[in-house]
Amino acid sequence: ETGVTQTPRHLVMGMTNKKSLKCEQHLGHNAMYWYKQSAKKPLELMFVYNFKEQTENNSVPSRFSPECPNSSHLFLHLHTLQPEDSALYLCASSQEAGDNIYSPLHFGNGTRLTVT
Amino acid sequence: DQQVKQNSPSLSVQEGRISILNCDYTNSMFDYFLWYKKYPAEGPTFLISISSIKDKNEDGRFTVFLNKSAKHLSLHIVPSQPGDSAVYFCAASAWSGKSTFGDGTTLTVKP
Repeated sequence: ETGVTQTPRHLVMGMTNKKSLKCEQHLGHNAMYWYKQSAKKPLELMFVYNFKEQTENNSVPSRFSPECPNSSHLFLHLHTLQPEDSALYLCASSQEAGDNIYSPLHFGNGTRLTVT
Repeated sequence: DQQVKQNSPSLSVQEGRISILNCDYTNSMFDYFLWYKKYPAEGPTFLISISSIKDKNEDGRFTVFLNKSAKHLSLHIVPSQPGDSAVYFCAASAWSGKSTFGDGTTLTVKP
């Protein structure tokens, strides 16, 4: 079982809906990330949290709102999305500390989001 | 401007032969490189990495080569096995630690 768990695995929502994606990591890591993978595009970094503090917002539209209540949990709140937001949303974690800034990412299995 | 490029969307090899996956980057600040492997319906998993102070790193059947002057790295899998069939992502990091990913190459290993 992956150390990073994402729910739900699949989500279909209308453009006026509000939904949330959940991520939980069981690895004791201190950094968590949201990535977006669209068809035929590279993984795009959306948000980074280190020790619960947001350290990166990669010019993501405000209809995506992250929340990190503690080092183990990460949410992505969605509202008034567009059909082009349909993609695979991946959560990841890593251990960032001292010299070890090159810690590999540990990914969850993703949430396949479809906006209708 | 895409800073990490994997120019081959797909690669097909025979079981037992060598698979070579290529990756090019443009940012000279990148100094750490990683390969991830992704099966359908799963998230990417870390495979192997290399620091810019090295030109080769080996782990079992997997070897990554780095050519800094050409800004090119490659992943060699030998011998290839059907279970290696997956999408392989190249990623590059600078001092900040954030990774920039390529588009991925789909490897198919035929029995």
